[in-house]
Amino acid sequence: NAGVTQTPKFQVLKTGQSMTLQCAQDMNHNSMYWYRQDPGMGLRLIYYSASEGTTDKGEVPNGYNVSRLNKREFSLRLESAAPSQTSVYFCASSEEETGYTNRAPEAFFGQGTRLTVV
Amino acid sequence: DAKTTQPPSMDCAEGRAANLPCNHSTISGNEYVYWYRQIHSQGPQYIIHGLKNNETNEMASLIITEDRKSSTLILPHATLRDTAVYYCIVRVRRGGSNYKLTFGKGTLLTVNP
Repeated sequence: NAGVTQTPKFQVLKTGQSMTLQCAQDMNHNSMYWYRQDPGMGLRLIYYSASEGTTDKGEVPNGYNVSRLNKREFSLRLESAAPSQTSVYFCASSEEETGYTNRAPEAFFGQGTRLTVV
Repeated sequence: DAKTTQPPSMDCAEGRAANLPCNHSTISGNEYVYWYRQIHSQGPQYIIHGLKNNETNEMASLIITEDRKSSTLILPHATLRDTAVYYCIVRVRRGGSNYKLTFGKGTLLTVNP
């Protein structure tokens, strides 16, 4: 199983350029997330999607847009890249918690996209 | 989500048990304790979670105090490959936007030969 796949793995952008980070999961999960991680820091949530067709802002949404294209895919777009957006970006997915069991769903993460904006 | 407090770093000898503490004194009754780890900037990896009972799986054991204000992750026989940043996270069990995980800075565990 591929799990969560992110593309590209590495990217260098010039200030002001735009790009889209792609994420796909093959586990039939409802919930998907985008995080960023800066050096020496924990992960910070940018946007998340609790189900297909819905998206919500996380802690640090400014400068980003997202699209939940279908159940499998959740993309993150930088419209006008800035050096402050240099970071490692992680996509994750998890099952929807139904409330009818005692099981709390774990999240599965991709391997990350290392983005540098110069 | 409740705030968690972890030591920034710990060392452990290879083959010995690694005990990683976490304080979550403001945890609510409907919040789970999760542990993830991140090896060398890879994507975080789920380890274990629990509500109030101790839990064990093939990777680790989770001990939660009776008042649920703290927990300990135990790696019974640490190996060099267990060197990683370990994150303790509390998260509500259900409820729309609360599926999200909030990461702190975690504990850097270094397993020494």
